[in-house]
Amino acid sequence: AQSVTQLDSHVSVSEGTPVLLRCNYSSSYSPSLFWYVQHPNKGLQLLLKYTSAATLVKGINGFEAEFKKSETSFHLTKPSAHMSDAAEYFCVVSVMNRDDKIIFGKGTRLHILP
Amino acid sequence: DGGITQSPKYLFRKEGQNVTLSCEQNLNHDAMYWYRQDPGQGLRLIYYSQIVNDFQKGDIAEGYSVSREKKESFPLTVTSAQKNPTAFYLCAAGGGTEAFFGQGTRLTVV
Repeated sequence: AQSVTQLDSHVSVSEGTPVLLRCNYSSSYSPSLFWYVQHPNKGLQLLLKYTSAATLVKGINGFEAEFKKSETSFHLTKPSAHMSDAAEYFCVVSVMNRDDKIIFGKGTRLHILP
Repeated sequence: DGGITQSPKYLFRKEGQNVTLSCEQNLNHDAMYWYRQDPGQGLRLIYYSQIVNDFQKGDIAEGYSVSREKKESFPLTVTSAQKNPTAFYLCAAGGGTEAFFGQGTRLTVV
């Protein structure tokens, strides 16, 4: 079975400073990993995904994430935060096997300070 | 245009009534899922189905029921046994390297 842990429920950064949202996963099989963003009263928007190709994945809006198998991590980063980045972020794991499930982390709410 | 359609977007029901949330996909995925979202708790898996006529309980299945009579459709019924049904409900399809989500249904029970 697979699981995903988002290590911080809330993260606050100042506008223009780097963003780091942490995600650890466990999986018996090679996982696919996703980061989604959800703005208030909106649906989920895919930021990026890892599917066993390049370990450094670039996404939309300047976000990127690095898959580190040795650390079972898939942290999301952005060099410079913008006010519009304030939202909830979900790390998601999925595997391709008989017991295939899509599992969400509990989410990290990102606050941007002016 | 491929995707997942959830309807309605907002739904109001009286306490004690069953209500069914619709989820339709035209992506030809075998696996479909239902999640519930509450503030501060992320998205928790209610039920999932990996093939037609088969489905499995997720982490919070009590008070819910589903059916999977055809590949395209995976409706969720919130029964009167669900003690706290007011929430945002999200349907998904896919698995492995792909995951697709509907826009969600916000259910309010009054």
